[in-house]
Amino acid sequence: QKEVEQNSGPLSVPEGAIASLNCTYSDRGSQSFFWYRQYSGKSPELIMSIYSNGDKEDGRFTAQLNKASQYVSLLIRDSQPSDSATYLCAFLANSGYSTLTFGKGTMLLVSP
Amino acid sequence: GAGVSQSPSNKVTEKGKDVELRCDPISGHTALYWYRQSLGQGLEFLIYFQGNSAPDKSGLPSDRFSAERTGGSVSTLTIQRTQQEDSAVYLCASSLDGAGTNGKLFFGSGTQLSVL
Repeated sequence: QKEVEQNSGPLSVPEGAIASLNCTYSDRGSQSFFWYRQYSGKSPELIMSIYSNGDKEDGRFTAQLNKASQYVSLLIRDSQPSDSATYLCAFLANSGYSTLTFGKGTMLLVSP
Repeated sequence: GAGVSQSPSNKVTEKGKDVELRCDPISGHTALYWYRQSLGQGLEFLIYFQGNSAPDKSGLPSDRFSAERTGGSVSTLTIQRTQQEDSAVYLCASSLDGAGTNGKLFFGSGTQLSVL
């Protein structure tokens, strides 16, 4: 069973701090990893993708991938109250189908 | 349309009844996915359609669940003899040519299904 594990949270950080969200996955064959953000009552939206070991930066967001440890993380710098949402880690299953497997998500709360 | 459209937005049904949920993907998107999300849970994959290829049905939880996609566009998810554990938000998503390209799925607003 291909799985994604995330701490459900909530992760509470003050405004301006760095929020660190973590995810581990079981499928060693996976090559593509994604972070989706889901505001309460809304649908998920893609915010980051990462395919290679190392860091990938996009504005205040940095995704980190370590395939040897089967670990992917998302750092949010200068966290804002508008970043308060559930962050879903997802990977592309190495099954021949283009199907994303999602984790249960980590709720982030940024307090003013 | 401008986005993925799902209907109805809410559906309340009695245990044992059949329900049909509809998804109209973004025009031109060849890939269509159904997921469901229970309260406090992540997204559970149900089924994936890609063009004219055989769908990936590996996520359907039981034979009470089925889905079809007509003409490569609109999809209908049918749940027969609904059970209370079927209560969830059913999300449809589409992508231009499958998540394998860039992982970008466009989600609809979902159908909130409540089985009494």
